[in-house]
Amino acid sequence: GAGVSQSPSNKVTEKGKDVELRCDPISGHTALYWYRQSLGQGLEFLIYFQGNSAPDKSGLPSDRFSAERTGGSVSTLTIQRTQQEDSAVYLCASSLGWTSGRDTQYFGPGTRLTVL
Amino acid sequence: AQSVTQPDIHITVSEGASLELRCNYSYGATPYLFWYVQSPGQGLQLLLKYFSGDTLVQGIKGFEAEFKRSQSSFNLRKPSVHWSDAAEYFCAVGARGTSYGKLTFGQGTILTVHP
Repeated sequence: GAGVSQSPSNKVTEKGKDVELRCDPISGHTALYWYRQSLGQGLEFLIYFQGNSAPDKSGLPSDRFSAERTGGSVSTLTIQRTQQEDSAVYLCASSLGWTSGRDTQYFGPGTRLTVL
Repeated sequence: AQSVTQPDIHITVSEGASLELRCNYSYGATPYLFWYVQSPGQGLQLLLKYFSGDTLVQGIKGFEAEFKRSQSSFNLRKPSVHWSDAAEYFCAVGARGTSYGKLTFGQGTILTVHP
């Protein structure tokens, strides 16, 4: 079946602009995750949605970052007033969720964000 | 909080040679352990995973890994490397309990394969 998809694949923006990154999880997966991959910091957890529970936002680096998940499926990560240090690859993953017992996250191809 | 160390930033091997990539983790209980591979410009592909039971786990593409609790390690091995294995490899630990869902990754090991 189809894997996790992300759009756009590349995004170039100017400092101070807002950006939205989209993630379509694998059908039937109740859990959705966002990670950031940058040269200096490696792979970092950002946020985690599990079903209808309140999301775990503990990895969001600042209040400029937010994410929502509509209808338990598609998710959008929004970065407001982008800064150059936001330049990174943003990876989305989905899984069956903790109730499955042995949860495994499957990753999308990522969105490469460049802030000029 | 959990952490993962991959001591080797870059490894070079000849095609056909054996491979071992090291991973050490820090976690207060038995963790969930994963190895992912990332080719240039691609997302992460799961190679294998350990949750419990048999400490030697088999994965895709001929890879295997062994969980050693006494050494807090989860090293990845392959008996004979192919040129197509050149990529970056990430070890990750997933916590149980309230931190469930957050994978903590190592810094990655870049594998170069010489013909």
